[in-house]
Amino acid sequence: DAGITQSPRHKVTETGTPVTLRCHQTENHRYMYWYRQDPGHGLRLIHYSYGVKDTDKGEVSDGYSVSRSKTEDFLLTLESATSSQTSVYFCATLQNTEAFFGQGTRLTVV
Amino acid sequence: KQEVTQIPAALSVPEGENLVLNCSFTDSAIYNLQWFRQDPGKGLTSLLLIQSSQREQTSGRLNASLDKSSGRSTLYIAASQPGDSATYLCAVRHDSNYQLIWGAGTKLIIKP
Repeated sequence: DAGITQSPRHKVTETGTPVTLRCHQTENHRYMYWYRQDPGHGLRLIHYSYGVKDTDKGEVSDGYSVSRSKTEDFLLTLESATSSQTSVYFCATLQNTEAFFGQGTRLTVV
Repeated sequence: KQEVTQIPAALSVPEGENLVLNCSFTDSAIYNLQWFRQDPGKGLTSLLLIQSSQREQTSGRLNASLDKSSGRSTLYIAASQPGDSATYLCAVRHDSNYQLIWGAGTKLIIKP
């Protein structure tokens, strides 16, 4: 357990509204990731960070932005939520060679 | 492009049986391979991590093997229990970056 906390755990929002999901870690891990998990697609990488203010896109980054102003926090923002962004979002960290995951955020866009 | 495949997609066995879950990958230039467990509505829990230089790792009733040359890893579960019911995912990390490439998972059901 890498002390990863995701907030909120559940959220329902309306189409077109901005949404920010937060990932907080207590272990000072350098690498952090945001994934989405959907039936039939498995885990897909949205964005990742390799240090404070250092981020890069994953395979499904369109419609998402991230920020990392502190080592412990990695924020995922949906600028204008769409129904296709209804999903379960997972934050992960990487320390040395092992990955650790948060409990997930279930986001529903109506 | 690395692709990771897990077969079967679902497996149901009686309690007490030994079983094997499979994970195959197309590019043998991996840094490591990690097996995870996911319970319904929960996050992922790391089970075993195998470095590219290792052949196997063991934790309790779990044993994971790695054969890079053939692009395969297996997760062996001994004396299965109903509490082992979950989805099991494997992920590979490449030498060149810090991203993980994921399989779609095997949903395991252990019948009492």
